[in-house]
Amino acid sequence: AQKITQTQPGMFVQEKEAVTLDCTYDTSDQSYGLFWYKQPSSGEMIFLIYQGSYDEQNATEGRYSLNFQKARKSANLVISASQLGDSAMYFCAMRDRRGGSEKLVFGKGTKLTVNP
Amino acid sequence: DSGVTQTPKHLITATGQRVTLRCSPRSGDLSVYWYQQSLDQGLQFLIQYYNGEERAKGNILERFSAQQFPDLHSELNLSSLELGDSALYFCASSSGAGGGDTEAFFGQGTRLTVV
Repeated sequence: AQKITQTQPGMFVQEKEAVTLDCTYDTSDQSYGLFWYKQPSSGEMIFLIYQGSYDEQNATEGRYSLNFQKARKSANLVISASQLGDSAMYFCAMRDRRGGSEKLVFGKGTKLTVNP
Repeated sequence: DSGVTQTPKHLITATGQRVTLRCSPRSGDLSVYWYQQSLDQGLQFLIQYYNGEERAKGNILERFSAQQFPDLHSELNLSSLELGDSALYFCASSSGAGGGDTEAFFGQGTRLTVV
């Protein structure tokens, strides 16, 4: 079964510094997709970035990049130049396509706090 | 704005009652997913509808049901509510055509409190 593990319950970073949020996954599928979401205190789930298992390049979206290491089954999110507004919960997720669905399986999340 | 609309944003109800949560997917998306986020269980998939038909079921209680209407909006019905059903309920949408979506957008969620 698909499984996502986020081992950092909380992380702290100084404003303007970079931070890496860890995510490891377990799957027997050859083709899969990995997602990162941000959930601020207001509660909404904001899509950040996607990485496909066959993508040769690491995904990037603005200040977000994904450090994808397929052999190690890791998909870490890197946030560069942290801002106070980056303080939030961050969830890593994998698409589970069993049964013809494209539902997401989530990790438990990492709470990021950006200090001024 | 993700383009996925959920109503209501907040809901407070008593144990034993029934509520209906509503979701309008992004324009053009055929799939609607419902997720529950609680403190003890985290984010869990409940059910998916694709173009009006149930596509997949997750950890959804028998007291819960859902449907997707011809205009593609979806409703999640929760009945015989218990205190433990208090959670944030999310709807997400994607094209869901099986091609491997590179995006899945969530609504703002409905925060349900059962008292």
